[in-house]
Amino acid sequence: QVHLQESGPGLVKPSETLSLTCTVSGVSISGFYWNWIRQLPGKRLEWIAFISDNGNARYSPSLRSRVTTSVDTSKGQFSLRLGSVTAADTAVYYCARGYYTNDAFDVWGQGTLVAVSS
Amino acid sequence: DIQMTQSPSTLSASVGDRVTITCRASQSIHPWLAWYQQKPGKAPKLLIYKTSTLETGVPSRFSGSGSGTEFTLTISSLQPDDFATYFCQQYNSFSTFGPGTNVEIK
Repeated sequence: QVHLQESGPGLVKPSETLSLTCTVSGVSISGFYWNWIRQLPGKRLEWIAFISDNGNARYSPSLRSRVTTSVDTSKGQFSLRLGSVTAADTAVYYCARGYYTNDAFDVWGQGTLVAVSS
Repeated sequence: DIQMTQSPSTLSASVGDRVTITCRASQSIHPWLAWYQQKPGKAPKLLIYKTSTLETGVPSRFSGSGSGTEFTLTISSLQPDDFATYFCQQYNSFSTFGPGTNVEIK
C-alpha cells in the first residue's frame, strides 16, 4: 500500500523559508512525479510543484521565484522549500503522486498545517 | 493560467437524489479533467480522471462527462457517505483546481 507522509515545522516566521519533506513508502520513488499542493484557509487548492526521481522539476508560475524542490531516492523522500514566506502562505501542505508531468493525483499524504506568524 | 470555476458552490440534497456538479475551464482542457472528494480534516480523494475514467474502488454511482471547457460530475443516487466537498482539477497545462462544491444534507 502506497503511503505518503509530510513532515516539517508547523510554524514559520515571516520572511523565512518553509521546508517540508515527504516520505514515500510502499512503492519506489522512481517512475512517478511527486507533487506539492497546498490548501489555503478558504479551502482553495493550489498546485505548487512536481519533481521526478531524476530531479526534473516544474513549478507553478505564481510561486516559481520562491520555490525549490529536491529528491533523495536513497531515502525515498522529496522536499519543498518556499522562501520569503508571508501570512498568505499559511496553508495545509500536501504531497501527492502523479504518473505524468501533468496528471491527476491518485495518492495523497495526510497533509501538514504550516502557519506563518511571528 | 487556466482558471476553473464550479457551480453551484453549495448544494443541498437528500439521500437518493441525483446530483450534478458543473466545472468550467477558461480554455479547452479536454480530456484532462479530474474530480476529487474531500471530507473535513482529510486529504482529497481521486474519484475520476481523464474526464470520465473511474478510479479503482470508486462506486459506480459516480460518473463524469464533458468536453472542451465544460464538465460535469454526477452522483446517480446520493448516499450518506457522499456528503462532502467536491473539487475539479485541470491538468492540461500545469494544474489548477476549482473552488469546490459543498454537498450538504437537505
